Amino acid sequence: GDSVTQMEGPVTLSEEACLTINCTYTATGYPSLFWYVQYPGEGLQLLLKATKADDKGSNKGFEATYRKETTSFHLEKGSVQVSDSAVYFCALIVSGGSYIPTFGRGTSLIVHP
Amino acid sequence: DTAVSQTPKYLVTQMGNDKSIKCEQNLGHDTMYWYKQDSKKFLKIMFSYNNKELIINETVPNRFSPKSPDKAHLNLHINSLELGDSAVYFCASSQDVGKRTQYFGPGTRLLVL
Repeated sequence: GDSVTQMEGPVTLSEEACLTINCTYTATGYPSLFWYVQYPGEGLQLLLKATKADDKGSNKGFEATYRKETTSFHLEKGSVQVSDSAVYFCALIVSGGSYIPTFGRGTSLIVHP
Repeated sequence: DTAVSQTPKYLVTQMGNDKSIKCEQNLGHDTMYWYKQDSKKFLKIMFSYNNKELIINETVPNRFSPKSPDKAHLNLHINSLELGDSAVYFCASSQDVGKRTQYFGPGTRLLVL
């Protein structure tokens, strides 16, 4: 079946530090890849996505590149802010298959001033 | 103008009771989902409906029954509540079952005593 593996958190950084959250996947078909963010007390919201190999998704200073050869979709940001503190979820959907959205276990990011 | 709304936001109840959670989306989407998020933030899909038809039914106890009266609504009824049902339940919607972004509601925090 499909699966998503994320690095375990929490990830604790100082403001303006660089961020990388690793995400690798296995999929039975050709997936679309997503990063969602969940702020405290809220639902998940889309951060960025990529639908084919070598696509780069970007939003709010975050980036992730769809790497088919390494089955990875790592999330990066050059300079984090306190307001980026949240839980980040990597996810995939394979259309033409089960259509079951598959989420990673989430990585908590804590940014200190 | 809330895109995906859920009621109630908080639900505290006794073991053995029956309760319902309601979800509505005003995005005109065809597909709706129910997810359960445990205390460690692990997100697991429970059900999905496309055009009022059940398309995903993961391993969930029979005590959980989804109902979709129309495309804009997906309700979750839970019979004979157990302690282990305590979690945050999220409703979500997407344009269709393909490789689409999901839009999440704010969540319903269920506590079974």
